[in-house]
Amino acid sequence: DAGVIQSPRHEVTEMGQEVTLRCKPISGHNSLFWYRQTMMRGLELLIYFNNNVPIDDSGMPEDRFSAKMPNASFSTLKIQPSEPRDSAVYFCASSLEDGSYNSPLHFGNGTRLTVT
Amino acid sequence: AQSVAQPEDQVNVAEGNPLTVKCTYSVSGNPYLFWYVQYPNRGLQFLLKYITGDNLVKGSYGFEAEFNKSQTSFHLKKPSALVSDSALYFCAVRDGLTGGGNKLTFGTGTQLKVEL
Repeated sequence: DAGVIQSPRHEVTEMGQEVTLRCKPISGHNSLFWYRQTMMRGLELLIYFNNNVPIDDSGMPEDRFSAKMPNASFSTLKIQPSEPRDSAVYFCASSLEDGSYNSPLHFGNGTRLTVT
Repeated sequence: AQSVAQPEDQVNVAEGNPLTVKCTYSVSGNPYLFWYVQYPNRGLQFLLKYITGDNLVKGSYGFEAEFNKSQTSFHLKKPSALVSDSALYFCAVRDGLTGGGNKLTFGTGTQLKVEL
């Protein structure tokens, strides 16, 4: 089991540029989550998908952020245009949900985004 | 709304001594409670969970946690700390009330430092 795979591990970009973060969940998992971690705000849930369908995107900060899950094995989080305040570590996590909502999340190693 | 509080930013303990990392929660329905650990430059790893049943839950690496409904707490414990336990620990809660969905809310984290 390769675990949740995120790419890139590090991304440095200039303000105004488009950034795309990628995630491959664990095979067979049916829920996928995008979290953002900063010193100031801790871990924030941005959006989560169940069976490739976005369920709750209330944590997405603004319209500059968008997320897609075109199939069960791939998801992207896009920021366009990026701003310095978007600098953070972005985590993707997946789980196998059976409707009981008590399955643990499996996290990737994150993408550290720096916007200058 | 669901929330979780970790009142200590940092906990210091000597190797071999018992450790406790505190967590309190607030939910409308029955709580589903989790502990995760994060090592530097890594994603979060699941340690243990409480869903129902015995108030003392045992997890990975010798950790356990005690659920206390009257105090709305779920403190993480280990009888004998190791230097390798030094990491950032997160408590998380999910509201078991129907309709709460799959949304996991994390605390702000507690940095555990175990010294020789």
